[in-house]
Amino acid sequence: EDKVVQSPLSLVVHEGDTVTLNCSYEVTNFRSLLWYKQEKKAPTFLFMLTSSGIEKKSGRLSSILDKKELFSILNITATQTGDSAVYLCAVARVQKLVFGQGTRLTINP
Amino acid sequence: GAGVSQSPRYKVAKRGQDVALRCDPISGHVSLFWYQQALGQGPEFLTYFQNEAQLDKSGLPSDRFFAERPEGSVSTLKIQRTQQEDSAVYLCASSPKRDSGQETQYFGPGTRLLVL
Repeated sequence: EDKVVQSPLSLVVHEGDTVTLNCSYEVTNFRSLLWYKQEKKAPTFLFMLTSSGIEKKSGRLSSILDKKELFSILNITATQTGDSAVYLCAVARVQKLVFGQGTRLTINP
Repeated sequence: GAGVSQSPRYKVAKRGQDVALRCDPISGHVSLFWYQQALGQGPEFLTYFQNEAQLDKSGLPSDRFFAERPEGSVSTLKIQRTQQEDSAVYLCASSPKRDSGQETQYFGPGTRLLVL
């Protein structure tokens, strides 16, 4: 059975801290891994990763995939209160995404 | 530009009622997906359309759930004889091409369904 596991499930840090969110997976017919940010509305796309070892970066956010060890990490540096959200990891098979449970990140001022 | 829109945003139904949830994908997007997200959980796949063809409905939890996309654009998810366990957020997503597993899916805001 396909499985995507995120850790930690919940994380509370102070503004300015750096955080690392983890995603491990066991999915047949892997095509790509995606990260989304979900506030009280639509999940918004952050990154798509298809190749191992190539870091993707957008501002203070970065992510990398390890297809041998079957995991990905999402890093956020210099966190801000606006980064508070649920971060979802999803693995794409053809014609569907398999999601993890999400990590709820809270940034305190 | 306009993103994926869904209506209604909130729906309260009495147990046993039928409900219909609408999704307007991004214009021109070929692929359309429905997901169900229970409280505190990640979204779970329900069904996939490529244009008007429903290519995968393996995630629909029972035969009370039915989805259609008759003209290859707007889609409707219908739930008959709603049960309390159907309470969840129903998310719709679309992507521009036939899905290959390497196309970004763009999500709508969801419909929050509460069955009493």
